[in-house]
Amino acid sequence: AQSVTQPDIHITVSEGASLELRCNYSYGATPYLFWYVQSPGQGLQLLLKYFSGDTLVQGIKGFEAEFKRSQSSFNLRKPSVHWSDAAEYFCAVKSRGGYQKVTFGTGTKLQVIP
Amino acid sequence: DTGVSQDPRHKITKRGQNVTFRCDPISEHNRLYWYRQTLGQGPEFLTYFQNEAQLEKSRLLSDRFSAERPKGSFSTLEIQRTEQGDSAMYLCASSFLLTRDPRDYEQYFGPGTRLTVT
Repeated sequence: AQSVTQPDIHITVSEGASLELRCNYSYGATPYLFWYVQSPGQGLQLLLKYFSGDTLVQGIKGFEAEFKRSQSSFNLRKPSVHWSDAAEYFCAVKSRGGYQKVTFGTGTKLQVIP
Repeated sequence: DTGVSQDPRHKITKRGQNVTFRCDPISEHNRLYWYRQTLGQGPEFLTYFQNEAQLEKSRLLSDRFSAERPKGSFSTLEIQRTEQGDSAMYLCASSFLLTRDPRDYEQYFGPGTRLTVT
């Protein structure tokens, strides 16, 4: 069964500092990979996705993620965090077959301090 | 484009009561999904419709849960004989795959319905 691990439950960074959120997946073949952000009272918003090709993926709001097949990882990065980035971030995977089920990690809550 | 909407946003009910939630997807989207999110967890897939056909169901969807999408537009999720363990945020999402190119794929999520069972 596919699974997603986000080892950091909470992360605190200073505004302007760089950010890396970790994500590891377990799946038989390389799945489709996603990062979502959820702000309080808001729905989930897709930040970026990886399907194939270039392993460094650019997303919205200045985020990027790098797919590393050898490590089964898809870590999210941002070079300079803004206070508005404080939210919960979810890594997710979907099989390349016909099934539409998306499996989410447990999330990492990001706190940004001035 | 008003996005995915869900109604109600909050529901408090007593154990044993039935509840029904509604999801209105983005108008041209033919795929609709339901997820459940409990505190401290990521969303968990419940079920998926393509037009009016329910094509996938998770084992999380017990016999007390039923979802419909009768005309391929809005969907309802009903929980019968609610239990305290049903307390969660219920999320709806929709998508529209124009081609078979997976780069078109994106699920758009609604704000969710928060259910509290007392």
